[in-house]
Amino acid sequence: KAGVTQTPRYLIKTRGQQVTLSCSPISGHRSVSWYQQTPGQGLQFLFEYFSETQRNKGNFPGRFSGRQFSNSRSEMNVSTLELGDSALYLCASSLGDRGSAGELFFGEGSRLTVL
Amino acid sequence: GNSVTQMEGPVTLSEEAFLTINCTYTATGYPSLFWYVQYPGEGLQLLLKATKADDKGSNKGFEATYRKETTSFHLEKGSVQVSDSAVYFCALSNSGGYQKVTFGTGTKLQVIP
Repeated sequence: KAGVTQTPRYLIKTRGQQVTLSCSPISGHRSVSWYQQTPGQGLQFLFEYFSETQRNKGNFPGRFSGRQFSNSRSEMNVSTLELGDSALYLCASSLGDRGSAGELFFGEGSRLTVL
Repeated sequence: GNSVTQMEGPVTLSEEAFLTINCTYTATGYPSLFWYVQYPGEGLQLLLKATKADDKGSNKGFEATYRKETTSFHLEKGSVQVSDSAVYFCALSNSGGYQKVTFGTGTKLQVIP
């Protein structure tokens, strides 16, 4: 069974640009969550999508957005990039039901560097 | 709100030493508790979990017991190996089916031969 796949793995952008990251969840998983990981702040929850609907959101500015497609694949977008957006962005998939709450399967992440 | 506090690292141990990584939490209701592990260059993997008070989660020789009276979920292993070198994250979830998980800051473990 294939794991969670994130693309691209590495990318470099400049301030003011925008970026789109992609995540393909494990087959059969309907929930996709996104986290930002930085040395200073640790893992911060961005948002969760389930069946194409955002059902939870963290405390990030509106420049961070996401969506989920009918095949459960998800994308997140960051517009008007700032230096502080440099981070490892992790996608996690799960079944999304009450019985599997907190049981996340993570991808290897997309490392974004903003210059 | 929810929060997880875990001991500062890095923790350096010799092979076959006993490991304890402390974790305490603050949450409303009855959260489920987790330990995740992140090996270098990889995403996080679920190591073990416990869903109610006095539950013991275990996996790969690691154990943690859900202590509601002390709001703790300390990770232990009797004999660490070099291959256990990684960053360990304590985490909680009390959002029902919603996957909003609160993570601690992580504790880096280095095991030397």
